[in-house]
Parts: sequence; structure tokens; C-alpha cells
Amino acid sequence: EADIYQTPRYLVIGTGKKITLECSQTMGHDKMYWYQQDPGMELHLIHYSYGVNSTEKGDLSSESTVSRIRTEHFPLTLESARPSHTSQYLCASSELAASYNEQFFGPGTRLTVL
Amino acid sequence: SQQGEEDPQALSIQEGENATMNCSYKTSINNLQWYRQNSGRGLVHLILIRSNEREKHSGRLRVTLDTSKKSSSLLITASRAADTASYFCATHTNQAGTALIFGKGTTLSVSS
Repeated sequence: EADIYQTPRYLVIGTGKKITLECSQTMGHDKMYWYQQDPGMELHLIHYSYGVNSTEKGDLSSESTVSRIRTEHFPLTLESARPSHTSQYLCASSELAASYNEQFFGPGTRLTVL
Repeated sequence: SQQGEEDPQALSIQEGENATMNCSYKTSINNLQWYRQNSGRGLVHLILIRSNEREKHSGRLRVTLDTSKKSSSLLITASRAADTASYFCATHTNQAGTALIFGKGTTLSVSS
């Protein structure tokens, strides 16, 4: 079944730890995105990718990094987690050729850094 | 700067009533989309309206777009408790390239 997956769904971790949030999609989409969302607030784009080996920074400055080695996989890494990184992280994907840019979202990872 | 701004921030209604949410934006758009988010979950695409369209329907949803006022509205008719969620508008502009810019959302509560 075509879908977009994120793991873990919830993560509680101590300050200074390195973490990787996983995102995979089985829809064959070229475009993928990472958004950060605080409770009750809007989504902020932090990274996006047009395809393999393409990564761009979004509107919101983030200390995280991303990679795109395979079309279906777009992991996000924090080298040293801090309490300010506590938030929900949403991954999304869309078709490259589509002009309308409808995005499909994963369920999100809720990260808490103590 | 934020592109989309929803109004109201929160809305509480009874089942069977209609719910109207508004979205205003600042720059010219390619299209405007509405998404729904259940608590703690990802977003689900509801409906897209292009800049040359004025109204669109999908089931109990009706979306209007007024490009002269840079505003859109989402109407949910005959609401149900299951419609309880946050609703976000997102704009797609040529300048933004591939990105969507989301508003802060309207939290809708439908009580039975």
C-alpha cells in the first residue's frame, strides 16, 4: 500500500544525544519535506529535497541535517539534541511533475529532549 | 513572514451545524490548499483550489477563493463529532518553488 511512514512516533532523549528521525514513502514521489510544528502552531519548513542527492534548507533555520541517498528515504539527523529541539517533526512528499503540489504527510515524530 | 492566517483560531459548534473557517494570505498564489490534522497526527489533504477558480466542492466541504481580497473560506456542512480537528490553509506560490506555506490553523470542536 502506498504510504508515508515515520519512525519513531515518540522519542524522549537526553541533551547531547545524536538522533535520526526516519521517513520513508512508497509512493515513488521525488519531492520530500521536513516540517517542524510546535503544539497549536503552524508548520515551518526546515528541509526539502527534489530527488536523490538534492537537499535544500527551508524557511526556518534548523540545526538538523538531512540526506537523500534513495528516492524513498529522507532521514533527519540532530547531531546533539537540545531542549529547544523539542517539537513535532512531520515528513511529507509530493510528485515532482505535479504543478499543484499536493503533499502527503506521515504521522509525525514527537521529540522531547530533556 | 507568515503567508496564511486562519480565522477564527478556535471554533466550537454542535453536531449538525455548519462550520466556516477563513484564511487570508499576503502574496499572489498559484493555488490554495486546505488540510486537516487530528490531534498529534500528520496532515491530510482535503481540497485544492487554483488561483483561477472561485469555488470548489468535495462532499460536505465547500471552498471559496477571492484573489482580489487574498482570502479563502472553508465551509463544512452538517458537521459531525468526527470533524473535530485542526484545519490549516496552505498557499503555493511561484516564488516559493516547491514549498507550501501554512497558516496557524483553526481548531474545530464539534460536540454531540
